[in-house]
Amino acid sequence: GEDVEQSLFLSVREGDSSVINCTYTDSSSTYLYWYKQEPGAGLQLLTYIFSNMDMKQDQRLTVLLNKKDKHLSLRIADTQTGDSAIYFCAERAGGYNKLIFGAGTRLAVHP
Amino acid sequence: NAGVTQTPKFQVLKTGQSMTLQCAQDMNHEYMSWYRQDPGMGLRLIHYSVGAGITDQGEVPNGYNVSRSTTEDFPLRLLSAAPSQTSVYFCASSYLDEQFFGPGTRLTVL
Repeated sequence: GEDVEQSLFLSVREGDSSVINCTYTDSSSTYLYWYKQEPGAGLQLLTYIFSNMDMKQDQRLTVLLNKKDKHLSLRIADTQTGDSAIYFCAERAGGYNKLIFGAGTRLAVHP
Repeated sequence: NAGVTQTPKFQVLKTGQSMTLQCAQDMNHEYMSWYRQDPGMGLRLIHYSVGAGITDQGEVPNGYNVSRSTTEDFPLRLLSAAPSQTSVYFCASSYLDEQFFGPGTRLTVL
């Protein structure tokens, strides 16, 4: 079945790069997403990548997709304290509404 | 645009009570969804709708009903609340490849 896995916690120093990893199982996934959730808030779409791409860059964010290994990563360059949040990886399984989420990676940024 | 709005923000129910979580969007999106978020887990899809009058079950539909009489509104009904339904509920609407989330409703069932 469909499953998305992420490591639960990542701690980085301010100014360093953060890399959050995700693996998924559905080889028919067409889109893969990264969402950010700050405490007490809803989910904010950060970026997404189509399955026929292997990289997408958007300012400080770089998404890498290894379709063969079903591995997705999100790199945040020059991580700031404002980047502290939970980051969710999700795959689109089927129609527009059907997103399968990972459990989320809590990113802690320390000085 | 207000985007996706949800009411209430917080709710406490007793076991067996019923209630409706409201969700509305003003972006004229055809697709809407309800998710629940539990500690240590990702969001899980409860029900979704591809347009007015059309709904379908997601991953965890038991104990929940939905209807979609208008494009704007997609309420989620709990007919007889159970402690296992204590969670944070998110509504979302979709356009093309992007899914927009509401701020969530935190529900506690005692």
